[in-house]
Amino acid sequence: EAGVAQSPRYKIIEKRQSVAFWCNPISGHATLYWYQQILGQGPKLLIQFQNNGVVDDSQLPKDRFSAERLKGVDSTLKIQPAKLEDSAVYLCASSLNPGGGDGYTFGSGTRLTVV
Amino acid sequence: QKEVEQNSGPLSVPEGAIASLNCTYSDRGSQSFFWYRQYSGKSPELIMSIYSNGDKEDGRFTAQLNKASQYVSLLIRDSQPSDSATYLCAVSKNTGNQFYFGTGTSLTVIP
Repeated sequence: EAGVAQSPRYKIIEKRQSVAFWCNPISGHATLYWYQQILGQGPKLLIQFQNNGVVDDSQLPKDRFSAERLKGVDSTLKIQPAKLEDSAVYLCASSLNPGGGDGYTFGSGTRLTVV
Repeated sequence: QKEVEQNSGPLSVPEGAIASLNCTYSDRGSQSFFWYRQYSGKSPELIMSIYSNGDKEDGRFTAQLNKASQYVSLLIRDSQPSDSATYLCAVSKNTGNQFYFGTGTSLTVIP
């Protein structure tokens, strides 16, 4: 089966600019997650979708981050305006079951550098 | 207190030795436990899951869970240079809830 697709792979922007990341989960996976992984740290959940509904966005900085999954398939994560501390790898993951009972499958990630 | 804690390492073992990676978690209600491997510049990949106390073996990998001590470990037997990576421990409180990841332990297997 095809894996989780993410684009772009790399992005460099200046602070205060906006950026968007795209994710297409594994076909049939109803649950989709966006994680932020800062260098040297473990991934931190930003938002979890179940189909097109938000399950958990408690750690999403809502003043600058937004995410949507309008048709319950692919998803977009946006940052506006970006700050230097947003430099990180943004990982999308999907799972067949809510909560990833059998573990997640991660995409290859988008490495964001804010200068 | 962090949800999941790991020794960041680095941990170095000679080729053929047993590598032991440890993880503790803070929430006694946690029910699902996972080990992910992450090569430098790559995304995490699931290598083991464990849900009940005791040992679970898969090839050269053994996961051990002790809920009373809130402790989960990963043993890698006959370590190979290709095992050199960062190993992330992840814990889920309940079905439908998010995973909490540790900061990872960097393992280097020396040929």
